[in-house]
Amino acid sequence: AQSVTQLGSHVSVSEGALVLLRCNYSSSVPPYLFWYVQYPNQGLQLLLKYTSAATLVKGINGFEAEFKKSETSFHLTKPSAHMSDAAEYFCAVSDFGANNLFFGTGTRLTVIP
Amino acid sequence: SQTIHQWPATLVQPVGSPLSLECTVEGTSNPNLYWYRQAAGRGLQLLFYSVGIGQISSEVPQNLSASRPQDRQFILSSKKLLLSDSGFYLCAWSVGTGGNQPQHFGDGTRLSIL
Repeated sequence: AQSVTQLGSHVSVSEGALVLLRCNYSSSVPPYLFWYVQYPNQGLQLLLKYTSAATLVKGINGFEAEFKKSETSFHLTKPSAHMSDAAEYFCAVSDFGANNLFFGTGTRLTVIP
Repeated sequence: SQTIHQWPATLVQPVGSPLSLECTVEGTSNPNLYWYRQAAGRGLQLLFYSVGIGQISSEVPQNLSASRPQDRQFILSSKKLLLSDSGFYLCAWSVGTGGNQPQHFGDGTRLSIL
C-alpha cells in the first residue's frame, strides 16, 4: 500500500532562511505526489504536484519540490521563508488509476522573526 | 471555475444527538467526493469517498455514514454522536480516475461534542 513519511512534525526556521520539509514515499511504482498547505481552521490548499513530467516542480508562493526516485523522496523547499509561510504542510501520494490520496501526518512550520 | 462549499463552519453538539454535515461542489460534473476527519495535531483520515450518485465506499468502521443524493452533494451523518466524533471534518473533490488529479478541499467544519 502507498504511504508517505514526513520527517519532523515541527520545523522552525528564521525569517529569510531556507525552508526544507521532508517527505519520503513508499510505492512499488512511480507515484503521483502532492504537497498541500493548511492554515489554521482552514481546508488544505494545493501547493504543487508531481505527475511524472519534470522532476523539479514549481508551485505557488515560491515553493518547489524535487522528485528523486533513487531516494524515494519529494522534499519541499523555499529559498527564503516569510512569516506568512507559517502553517501545516502535508505530503500526499497516489498511484496510477487510484481515486484516493494517502496523506502524511503533516509538518508544522514556524517562522521566527 | 469550480468551488466547494461546506457548512456549517462550526458546530457544537451534545453526545447522543444526530449529525448532518453538507458539502456541495459547483462548476464540475461527476466529481469524486471525499470526507476526511482531522483530529487535533494529527493527519487526515479518509472516512468515505464516492465516485458517483449512490456509490459510497467506507474506509474505516465508525459511527458515521455518508450519502450522495445528487451528483455534486455529499452528506455526512450520524444518528448518535460520540465524544470521539469530535474533530475537524473536511470535504474534498477531484475529477478523473487516473490518480494524477489533486483533491480540492472545502474550508472544513469544526465539530465539538459535549
